[in-house]
Amino acid sequence: GQQVMQIPQYQHVQEGEDFTTYCNSSTTLSNIQWYKQRPGGHPVFLIQLVKSGEVKKQKRLTFQFGEAKKNSSLHITATQTTDVGTYFCAARTFSGSARQLTFGSGTQLTVLP
Amino acid sequence: DAGVIQSPRHEVTEMGQEVTLRCKPISGHDYLFWYRQTMMRGLELLIYFNNNVPIDDSGMPEDRFSAKMPNASFSTLKIQPSEPRDSAVYFCASSLQVTDTQYFGPGTRLTVL
Repeated sequence: GQQVMQIPQYQHVQEGEDFTTYCNSSTTLSNIQWYKQRPGGHPVFLIQLVKSGEVKKQKRLTFQFGEAKKNSSLHITATQTTDVGTYFCAARTFSGSARQLTFGSGTQLTVLP
Repeated sequence: DAGVIQSPRHEVTEMGQEVTLRCKPISGHDYLFWYRQTMMRGLELLIYFNNNVPIDDSGMPEDRFSAKMPNASFSTLKIQPSEPRDSAVYFCASSLQVTDTQYFGPGTRLTVL
């Protein structure tokens, strides 16, 4: 089955430092979504990337989709304590079935004040 | 909109007991998904429905798990009999189309003693 690798598993940063999490797939993806889950909360949709090489920004968050559509990254500039949580990628293959929306294992971000 | 509603928010039961988790999707969403989240296995898709019909239940761990969607505004996930390894957070999510953003409910934290 489709494998979605997400690294790192954990990341501790000092407030103000940057943070990046990476998602890699063994197969070409139709699209990729990113979600954020606060401690004790539920996953909340952040963004969806569809096009090869696509880059989208949301304030301090920058999302990239690789040229080969097999990898993606989420970069946070100048982290704040409100960024604490686990960031998941969710990758979808060209089969189109929701079953193929595979979540990565997540990167748990801790921001130290 | 109230978002996806799940009940109960917390459930503690003893091994062997029947457990029923409930979900009300966002009105107008045709797709409903049940996920299980654990530290060991991350976020796993158990089953999803389209227009109240189960489409893919290949993620259901075993026969002790069953899910129903009797109408567009209600779904249940039942575990009978429950076992300690079923302890997890169970999320329900809904979406307009299968490829769209999934909106997650707050989850049910299940503890089986």
